[in-house]
Amino acid sequence: ELKVEQNPLFLSMQEGKNYTIYCNYSTTSDRLYWYRQDPGKSLESLFVLLSNGAVKQEGRLMASLDTKARLSTLHITAAVHDLSATYFCAVDIDRGSTLGRLYFGRGTQLTVWP
Amino acid sequence: KAGVTQTPRYLIKTRGQQVTLSCSPISGHRSVSWYQQTPGQGLQFLFEYFSETQRNKGNFPGRFSGRQFSNSRSEMNVSTLELGDSALYLCASRGRLAINEQFFGPGTRLTVL
Repeated sequence: ELKVEQNPLFLSMQEGKNYTIYCNYSTTSDRLYWYRQDPGKSLESLFVLLSNGAVKQEGRLMASLDTKARLSTLHITAAVHDLSATYFCAVDIDRGSTLGRLYFGRGTQLTVWP
Repeated sequence: KAGVTQTPRYLIKTRGQQVTLSCSPISGHRSVSWYQQTPGQGLQFLFEYFSETQRNKGNFPGRFSGRQFSNSRSEMNVSTLELGDSALYLCASRGRLAINEQFFGPGTRLTVL
């Protein structure tokens, strides 16, 4: 079964600092998704990465995908308090018996403090 | 465009009871997936439906079942509830089959006493 590992699981950072969240997965896939979840809320789609070398940016967040290394990163630039949330990466191989299924990491709980 | 809706938002049940949760996908989306989220196990896949057919099922006991209607609305049912079934149940729909970007509803928070 496809395994997805995120690290760190907990991240506390000061406003204005930069940091990177890592997402490793165990099986060949070229489709990776990043989601954000605020406490008590649902998951919000942030990025869809569909090929090796894909890079997407939105505001202070940038996501990239290296399918050869089976690694995706979510880079945070100059963090602000509003980025405090839990971030999940998810992978799919969407064929045969895995249709429609996303495999999620455990999530990275990010807290940004002044 | 309205998002994914789920009803009810909160439920409290006792052990042994059964429960039915409902999900309405984004208009035009025909694929609906269900996930269970708990602090201990994280996000776990329950099943996926497309055009009223279950195409994929996660590793959950038979007490968990679902169905999809011709208008793509989906329900999931949990029978003989156990304390461990307390969780946030999330429904997600997707429109483009070429990619698996799923859009999640607000979830149903189920508490089993």
